[in-house]
Amino acid sequence: SQTIHQWPATLVQPVGSPLSLECTVEGTSNPNLYWYRQAAGRGLQLLFYSVGIGQISSEVPQNLSASRPQDRQFILSSKKLLLSDSGFYLCAWSVPSGSRQYTEAFFGQGTRLTVV
Amino acid sequence: QKEVEQDPGPLSVPEGAIVSLNCTYSNSAFQYFMWYRQYSRKGPELLMYTYSSGNKEDGRFTAQVDKSSKYISLFIRDSQPSDSATYLCAMSDTPNSGGSNYKLTFGKGTLLTVNP
Repeated sequence: SQTIHQWPATLVQPVGSPLSLECTVEGTSNPNLYWYRQAAGRGLQLLFYSVGIGQISSEVPQNLSASRPQDRQFILSSKKLLLSDSGFYLCAWSVPSGSRQYTEAFFGQGTRLTVV
Repeated sequence: QKEVEQDPGPLSVPEGAIVSLNCTYSNSAFQYFMWYRQYSRKGPELLMYTYSSGNKEDGRFTAQVDKSSKYISLFIRDSQPSDSATYLCAMSDTPNSGGSNYKLTFGKGTLLTVNP
């Protein structure tokens, strides 16, 4: 069965420090991968998605970047964190849409980031 | 107008009640509709999905889609305290409609509390 791992679960970082959140998926090949941010009262905001190694699409301009160095690894980074980067970050995966019409997303357990 | 509207609640019901959760949407290209359940400080988990209009039942849960009204619902029968969570609706269009089902559009979630 497929599993998704996301770490760390909780992170407190000072303003201006770098960030690296990692997500890995097991049990599937060539998944679509996603980074979402969930802020109180604002719902789930799609930040980045990737349909293959090295292929990253950004949904919103921001202080963050993403990379996909391996098929089942997705990394969210920042060079200098802002207070506004605080939130609950979720990694998700789905099967490629070319293999089926419908592609539900499956989420990791999230990283709660507090920038102080 | 936001693409997906969902009443944030909070909604508080006694154990055993029938719960109705709803979302409206504006994009007529949406074809796939999902409900996710999210416990506090956890990632969302997929509860149900439906394609186009109609009903789908799974145990105590029933999902309904009315595309003519752009309205979807999730019903929970015999609600239990363990159902206390935030419920998120999500939807996507299809490549055949010129869109991309890589991406899901989420409602902001409804916080449900079932009191024993």
